[in-house]
Amino acid sequence: AQRVTQPEKLLSVFKGAPVELKCNYSYSGSPELFWYVQYSRQRLQLLLRHISRESIKGFTADLNKGETSFHLKKPFAQEEDSAMYYCALSGDTGFQKLVFGTGTRLLVSP
Amino acid sequence: DAGVIQSPRHEVTEMGQEVTLRCKPISGHDYLFWYRQTMMRGLELLIYFNNNVPIDDSGMPEDRFSAKMPNASFSTLKIQPSEPRDSAVYFCASSLVAGGRVRSYNEQFFGPGTRLTVL
Repeated sequence: AQRVTQPEKLLSVFKGAPVELKCNYSYSGSPELFWYVQYSRQRLQLLLRHISRESIKGFTADLNKGETSFHLKKPFAQEEDSAMYYCALSGDTGFQKLVFGTGTRLLVSP
Repeated sequence: DAGVIQSPRHEVTEMGQEVTLRCKPISGHDYLFWYRQTMMRGLELLIYFNNNVPIDDSGMPEDRFSAKMPNASFSTLKIQPSEPRDSAVYFCASSLVAGGRVRSYNEQFFGPGTRLTVL
């Protein structure tokens, strides 16, 4: 069964501090992993995907198959990063179906 | 493009009443998804359609829930009868499988959601 676990419901940091939002997954095949973000009063939107290997708004995420993790990192948090972050998985069958974690709310204080 | 459109944005109803949520996907998109968001369970996929045909409804919680997509530009999610535990935010999303490459994930575009409260 496909499962995505985000152990932290809330992560609170100060501006300029490093951020790591944890995501672990359970899947027997080769998944694609994603981070979606929902800023206040905005729609849920794709932040990044592991196959792109890109940095978006200073965020990066590396897929670690050994640890089945896909943690989202940013070296210096900004107040505008405050949002709800969802880790999601797409399996190698039924590609269009996403399984989401329960989400982590990031709060960056000045 | 206004993106995915959902209506109503807020719905308050009493237990036992029928509730109908509506969604208009982005024009040209061939996949449509219905999700439910709660504090405890996060985002759960309820059902998704491809070219108006339901593909996977395994996430639909029970027979009280039903979804239809009569054409490419409209879908409904109906709850009958509604119960307090159905209170949640319901999202609709759509995507386009570019070039027919089904064996690759394509970004989903979400609507603003409908906040449902069942008293």
